[in-house]
Amino acid sequence: EAGVAQSPRYKIIEKRQSVAFWCNPISGHATLYWYQQILGQGPKLLIQFQNNGVVDDSQLPKDRFSAERLKGVDSTLKIQPAKLEDSAVYLCASSPNTGRKTQYFGPGTRLLVL
Amino acid sequence: DQQVKQNSPSLSVQEGRISILNCDYTNSMFDYFLWYKKYPAEGPTFLISISSIKDKNEDGRFTVFLNKSAKHLSLHIVPSQPGDSAVYFCAASEANNDMRFGAGTRLTVKP
Repeated sequence: EAGVAQSPRYKIIEKRQSVAFWCNPISGHATLYWYQQILGQGPKLLIQFQNNGVVDDSQLPKDRFSAERLKGVDSTLKIQPAKLEDSAVYLCASSPNTGRKTQYFGPGTRLLVL
Repeated sequence: DQQVKQNSPSLSVQEGRISILNCDYTNSMFDYFLWYKKYPAEGPTFLISISSIKDKNEDGRFTVFLNKSAKHLSLHIVPSQPGDSAVYFCAASEANNDMRFGAGTRLTVKP
């Protein structure tokens, strides 16, 4: 079974530029999550999708961050414009439809904003 | 708000000995707890979990203990191996599956 795929793996941009990250979850997983992990901290949930609907985006900075999950499969997370403090690893995770929803993570995208 | 705390940023143990990683939480509504392991440049990998109806769950060399009254859980690795060297994250969730993570503990197992 293929795991959660993310791209790109690394991205360096200047502040005020835009950036987008892509995630393909494990096949059949209805729930998809985006996390931000700042160095030295644990992952922090940004947004949670159930199929293509948003379940929780309470911690998403909506003035600059946006996310979508078209057709309930792949998802993109966008930052526009980026700030220095957005430098972090952005993790995508997915969980199955039934049972206790253990989350399975992708390798992450490391973003550096200069 | 730090609802899940891992107060030891690092731990070093000798190969073959026991590793004990600790985690404390403040939210009494948490009913499901997980440990994830993370190698550099990779995403966290699920290791072991425990429901609040249990106080122990074992999987090979890994055992998680839950003390609900103390709001404390721990991960025991016996015997520790050099390949166990990684960052370990404790996580907790309520029924709505909003998972909260600790800051992680870096485990180094010395040969």
